[in-house]
Amino acid sequence: AQTVTQSQPEMSVQEAETVTLSCTYDTSESDYYLFWYKQPPSRQMILVIRQEAYKQQNATENRFSVNFQKAAKSFSLKISDSQLGDAAMYFCAYRSLGSGNTGKLIFGQGTTLQVKP
Amino acid sequence: DTAVSQTPKYLVTQMGNDKSIKCEQNLGHDTMYWYKQDSKKFLKIMFSYNNKELIINETVPNRFSPKSPDKAHLNLHINSLELGDSAVYFCASSQGRRGVVLYTGELFFGEGSRLTVL
Repeated sequence: AQTVTQSQPEMSVQEAETVTLSCTYDTSESDYYLFWYKQPPSRQMILVIRQEAYKQQNATENRFSVNFQKAAKSFSLKISDSQLGDAAMYFCAYRSLGSGNTGKLIFGQGTTLQVKP
Repeated sequence: DTAVSQTPKYLVTQMGNDKSIKCEQNLGHDTMYWYKQDSKKFLKIMFSYNNKELIINETVPNRFSPKSPDKAHLNLHINSLELGDSAVYFCASSQGRRGVVLYTGELFFGEGSRLTVL
């Protein structure tokens, strides 16, 4: 069974600085998606960025980028020029695309990001 | 228009009562899910339906019964509520499989329904 691990329960960053959130996963599959979701205090789950496993190029979305290391099964999120609105809980998630998959997302434990002014 | 909407947003009830949470999506997706987020914020899949057919049924007490009248709706009914059922319940939807035009792989979530059992 696939698992997702976020080893940093809490992280802190100064406004305008850069921070990296870590995520590792375990799978025997070769075809899958990885995601980072953001959950602010409003509790809405917001997609930050997605990565398809067959794509070698790291995904980027404005100030957000990932470092996808498929062999190491690592998927870290880098937030550049951190803003106060980035303060939230961040979840790493895995979605299998293998045959017979049920399409469910498997989530990590989450990392709470604090942004200091 | 809200893509995935859940009602109610907040629910406070006594132990032993029965309650329902409704979910609707207007994205045209064929797969819907219920997730539970516990007090430690951990998100765990409970159920999933694809075109009204149950495809995921994790280890959930049978007091929880999902119902999907059509592929745009997925409701969750909970019987004999217990203190441990207190949590935030999220509904989500997605396109079922790659091969569909504009498949993005992600799940779209509702705003969550906070259930408090006293």
